[in-house]
Amino acid sequence: AQKVTQAQTEISVVEKEDVTLDCVYETRDTTYYLFWYKQPPSGELVFLIRRNSFDEQNEISGRYSWNFQKSTSSFNFTITASQVVDSAVYFCALSERPYNTDKLIFGTGTRLQVFP
Amino acid sequence: GAVVSQHPSRVICKSGTSVKIECRSLDFQATTMFWYRQFPKQSLMLMATSNEGSKATYEQGVEKDKFLINHASLTLSTLTVTSAHPEDSSFYICSARDGQPYNEQFFGPGTRLTVL
Repeated sequence: AQKVTQAQTEISVVEKEDVTLDCVYETRDTTYYLFWYKQPPSGELVFLIRRNSFDEQNEISGRYSWNFQKSTSSFNFTITASQVVDSAVYFCALSERPYNTDKLIFGTGTRLQVFP
Repeated sequence: GAVVSQHPSRVICKSGTSVKIECRSLDFQATTMFWYRQFPKQSLMLMATSNEGSKATYEQGVEKDKFLINHASLTLSTLTVTSAHPEDSSFYICSARDGQPYNEQFFGPGTRLTVL
């Protein structure tokens, strides 16, 4: 069965520290999508990235970077030089069906607190 | 990205009353809309998927008579919590997607329901 595990429940860092949020997934599909979302205190989910299972290239977007490794079924998210505004709950998600984003399986989330 | 709105953002009601939550796609036609439920400090759980003009598809364990979903137009879906009870108190989030099944979902800001 499809499953997403975010083992880190809460992480606290001081501003400017780098932080990595772990995500491990399980799926029997060979084609799938992986996502990361940010949920600030306001509650709205903010889309960060979608990665196709065929694309194992790492991605960098400003201070954010993602490391996708199919061999370990992991899709980890790193924030470089963290800022207070990065404080939020971060969810990793997996699409249940290939080429279809209908049913997203979410992990339990990692609460990141960045202190000044 | 595309914008999805929800109304109201917060509602408090007495036990036994019904509450309607609206989800609107503001700048695209949402052929498919999704309703999620999120308990405090927990993950998002998909409740149902609705396609415009069709009956909603409910996930296992979700009472369709309790959570009525209507998707009457390409820009509006409503979730009605009927005869609400305190255990229905939760954060309800909708998302919307256009016709392509592989496109991403855009999430609304959520509605916090408190049933007294």
